Amino acid sequence: QVRLVQSGAEVKKPGASVKVSCEASGYTFTDYYMHWVRQVPGQGLEWMGWVNLNSGATDFAPKFQGRVTMTRDTATDTAYMELSRLTSGDTALYYCARDDALQAGTFFDYWGQGTLVTISS
Amino acid sequence: DFVITQSPLSLLVTPGEPASISCRSSQSLLYINGYTYLDWYLQKPGQSPQLLIYLTSNRASGVPDRFSGSGSGTDFTLKISRVEAEDAGVFYCVQSLETPYIFGQGTKLEIK
Repeated sequence: QVRLVQSGAEVKKPGASVKVSCEASGYTFTDYYMHWVRQVPGQGLEWMGWVNLNSGATDFAPKFQGRVTMTRDTATDTAYMELSRLTSGDTALYYCARDDALQAGTFFDYWGQGTLVTISS
Repeated sequence: DFVITQSPLSLLVTPGEPASISCRSSQSLLYINGYTYLDWYLQKPGQSPQLLIYLTSNRASGVPDRFSGSGSGTDFTLKISRVEAEDAGVFYCVQSLETPYIFGQGTKLEIK
């Protein structure tokens, strides 16, 4: 069965960087995009960007441009999201979510369990 | 960027009764391929979001047929024909036509 398993919770200081992983299993990794969506505690969902798991191409929300990197390792079927220059406003639950690159539409049929990133001095 | 507006922001519904959530986009979500790029998700308490409806009206795999999506252009509706206790959570619509993809504010469904 399809699974997306994310890395564990992180606590970082302001100005630092965090790298979250998302290990996929149960499907052909490179047939999909991986998106990252975050959720500040008690608030709604915010799309951050995607990485094409085949080509490595990326697209980011302007809000995160210059501060976010999304990569993948096809040898381990793992996607990564790294966010730099962290501030308290980046305290959130970060989700990975897959999107079928071969279908019309962009929609997320499987999600990771979420990784809580806390920014605290 | 698109502006996505959901209403109402909260609903209190008796089991067995219907429920309806509206989602409005500031721009048309119709693409040249004929599909309209509006999706719906439900986030149950303490869980990751789950896909309910994609491309306006297509139910995702495993989604009960009491959930239906409709709409066109800029106005969309998610309907639950008979609410069940397990439907409690926050419903989000999202425009997936162009990046950055924008989610609505969310509609919290509570069960009486």
